[in-house]
Formats: sequence, structure tokens, C-alpha cells
Amino acid sequence: EPEVTQTPSHQVTQMGQEVILRCVPISNHLYFYWYRQILGQKVEFLVSFYNNEISEKSEIFDDQFSVERPDGSNFTLKIRSTKLEDSAMYFCASTYGGIAFFGQGTRLTVV
Amino acid sequence: AQKITQTQPGMFVQEKEAVTLDCTYDTSDPSYGLFWYKQPSSGEMIFLIYQGSYDQQNATEGRYSLNFQKARKSANLVISASQLGDSAMYFCAMREGRTDNYGQNFVFGPGTRLSVLP
Repeated sequence: EPEVTQTPSHQVTQMGQEVILRCVPISNHLYFYWYRQILGQKVEFLVSFYNNEISEKSEIFDDQFSVERPDGSNFTLKIRSTKLEDSAMYFCASTYGGIAFFGQGTRLTVV
Repeated sequence: AQKITQTQPGMFVQEKEAVTLDCTYDTSDPSYGLFWYKQPSSGEMIFLIYQGSYDQQNATEGRYSLNFQKARKSANLVISASQLGDSAMYFCAMREGRTDNYGQNFVFGPGTRLSVLP
């Protein structure tokens, strides 16, 4: 069964460093998303992406964040200069027929 | 205002019993979708069931059913014959709009932690 895959599963980074989280959405899906979940808290929307551009973004998604679909299969989230409060689980999702399917998540720890 | 409310931070159920997890939502959009996701301790987010606002019948998927009461704006998840593997966090979510035409985002509730007791 097709699934959304995310790499790495866990990333530890120094504060101020750049990180790139990678996702491979399900191949016939058209809409892609990034969400994050700070430990024990709600799942929060970051950004949605369609037709190679951002369609919607939240207040969280500031200038430190960017997304890209570099090669038609990967979908990446870049955090330019990580802060301690960026530590969270980051989920990629893709949708088809209005249902979102999530990847297994990348746990980002900023130290 | 909260778009999705889950009033039960934690629930316990005996194995093989049925359990209902509550979800109420708030929207003025006539078209929307309601979803339930399961998050086990390993962290992944697993899609369980979907209900569209215009669907006449309550959605069912195996042991999961969604008790959709549109006038009350509630979309409770019913798990029948609970299993130990059902122990997890359960999130109710809503997508406003007819379909994902414009990549509308999904809004999540705070979740309910279900523990199934042997």
C-alpha cells in the first residue's frame, strides 16, 4: 500500500544550524502539507503546497521556514536557523480525495 | 474559538468493550470533512475514518464508526470490541471546504489518550 515516507526519523541539531526534513508524498497526490507537534501538544498546521507553490501558511511558518519540491517526488521543509522551540515532531502529509495521509514523522531535537 | 474540541483528555476501556471518543466542531462552512487519526506511542499518525458533511450515513471502517450528528456539530468515534493495540492518542480533525481544491489545512483537536485495560 502506498505511503508517505519521511527521512530522517530522528534528527538532532545544534541551535542556529540549518536542517532539511525530507518527505516523499504518495505519487498521485497533488497537495502536500507540513505539520508539527510539540511534545504532548496539539498538531499544528505549518504550510500547504500545490502546483509548486505555497497555497496556505500559518503564523508559525515565518521567514525561517521554506518548502520546496525540488525534483517532482521529494517535498522538503527547511528551517534556516533552528531555535530550541523548533524541537518537535514534524509530519508531512499528502491528500487525495480530501483525505490526508501522514508520514511517520521526523522528530527534531534542537540542542 | 476552538474549531475542534475533544473534552476527554484520557479514557480507559476494558478489552473487548466498546468506547466512544467525543469530538465537537465549529464551522460556518456548509462543506467540510471530519477525520479521526490514531497516534500510537511510536508517533506516526494513522488515518482511521472520514465523514463528509453531506454524507447521509455514518461512516464505518471495520471496528471504527463515526457517530455524526450534524445539528449538534458532533462527530464521535466509536471503537467496538477494543483491543490492547487500540491504546493510543486519538485526534479528531476537520477540513473546511468541499475538497482539497486549494490545499485547505486540517485543524486538529487536542486529542484523547485511550488506554485499553486487559
